[in-house]
Amino acid sequence: EVQLVESGGGLVQPGGSLRLSCGASGFTFSSHWMAWVRQAPGKGPEWVANIKKDGSETYYVDSVKGRFTISRDNAKNSLYLQMNNLRAEDTAVYYCVRGFGLDTWGQGTLVTVSS
Amino acid sequence: DIVLTQSPDSLAVSLGERATINCKSSQSLISGSNNDNFFAWFQQKPGQPPKMLIYWASTRVTGVPDRFSGSGSGTDFTLTISNLQAEDVAVYYCQQYYGAPITFGGGTKVEIK
Repeated sequence: EVQLVESGGGLVQPGGSLRLSCGASGFTFSSHWMAWVRQAPGKGPEWVANIKKDGSETYYVDSVKGRFTISRDNAKNSLYLQMNNLRAEDTAVYYCVRGFGLDTWGQGTLVTVSS
Repeated sequence: DIVLTQSPDSLAVSLGERATINCKSSQSLISGSNNDNFFAWFQQKPGQPPKMLIYWASTRVTGVPDRFSGSGSGTDFTLTISNLQAEDVAVYYCQQYYGAPITFGGGTKVEIK
């Protein structure tokens, strides 16, 4: 069974940092693009970033460029999102998602940015 | 960025009837030697992550009931739910994966009349 389990969310003050992690199992992790997608309370999903199978290419939505970094460790079947200089508008549930087309989603981890 | 415009915002359908959701893209989503449409439909129920129903515009994900069907090409797409069931109450999103940034439509809330 394909599983994606996120961790690392929580409450952080504006300007602070968090690192999200995602553990993958049930499929060959290194054969898939991976992505982070977020969903603010009461809003639709918003793609944040994705990373190529071997980590050689990364792409970001404009609102997080220069603040967020997506990375992966294929030996550990893990995906990461380093989030710096967090803003109130970054408050959302963050999902780890498999594939360029976003075919399988984790349950998400809540990030709240507030003073 | 590619903008996806969904309609309607919400609809109420009687059990056993048909629900139709439309999605219009600001540019063509056809690419590749097979003329694939880089387009998908998702279902999201309260408290759950979105779940992919349809990809390549019309291919059902394994395990998705065949009352869900996707059609369209280029810039205009449709999700049809035939014989609506109570468990189909959800918000439905269209999505394009033609290129970065990947974008979603605004969502359509489907309820029982």
